[in-house]
Amino acid sequence: GAVVSQHPSRVICKSGTSVKIECRSLDFQATTMFWYRQFPKQSLMLMATSNEGSKATYEQGVEKDKFLINHASLTLSTLTVTSAHPEDSSFYICSASRGAGGQFFGPGTRLTVL
Amino acid sequence: QKEVEQDPGPLSVPEGAIVSLNCTYSNSAFQYFMWYRQYSRKGPELLMYTYSSGNKEDGRFTAQVDKSSKYISLFIRDSQPSDSATYLCAPEGGFNKFYFGSGTKLNVKP
Repeated sequence: GAVVSQHPSRVICKSGTSVKIECRSLDFQATTMFWYRQFPKQSLMLMATSNEGSKATYEQGVEKDKFLINHASLTLSTLTVTSAHPEDSSFYICSASRGAGGQFFGPGTRLTVL
Repeated sequence: QKEVEQDPGPLSVPEGAIVSLNCTYSNSAFQYFMWYRQYSRKGPELLMYTYSSGNKEDGRFTAQVDKSSKYISLFIRDSQPSDSATYLCAPEGGFNKFYFGSGTKLNVKP
């Protein structure tokens, strides 16, 4: 149990376009979902926390207008990178929590902005 | 000061060795302590977690927390090449918010 999927696994886009990444908890209802960014050889950096039906809470330094998060249901959250630029190229990972006992991570989405 | 400090390694050991991975943290309010394993270009997977101080064993893995010294450890016995990955410690700061260490890259040589 506790499987989290992400789609797409890899995306390459042109600068200025928007990219949507989906995160789904497949076999449980996630009370909270998290979005992280990970640059090469660095640890995960929390971008935002979202609860179903409410606005996401963004970490300091993360632009909420650039990284739009929608948590439509207890099993689905989406991250949209708007007007992507090359510096947004990174590994984006979501996780889902069903309460105490840890977060369960998706496989990640590698974004490359040309 | 970072919330969690972890030696990035890399740590290289021969197969069969006992591996010790460690983190220190600064916030005494942390209660849950997680260890995640991340293979290259994959999302992290939860290995095990402990609550408050003490030890927890799961197969070849033992997690240890000493809250008095704010020190977290993960021991791997009889290490295997398949254990080669980056190991991340992650104390929980309430409301399911985790503070990840930078990760220690482990390489177990056959």
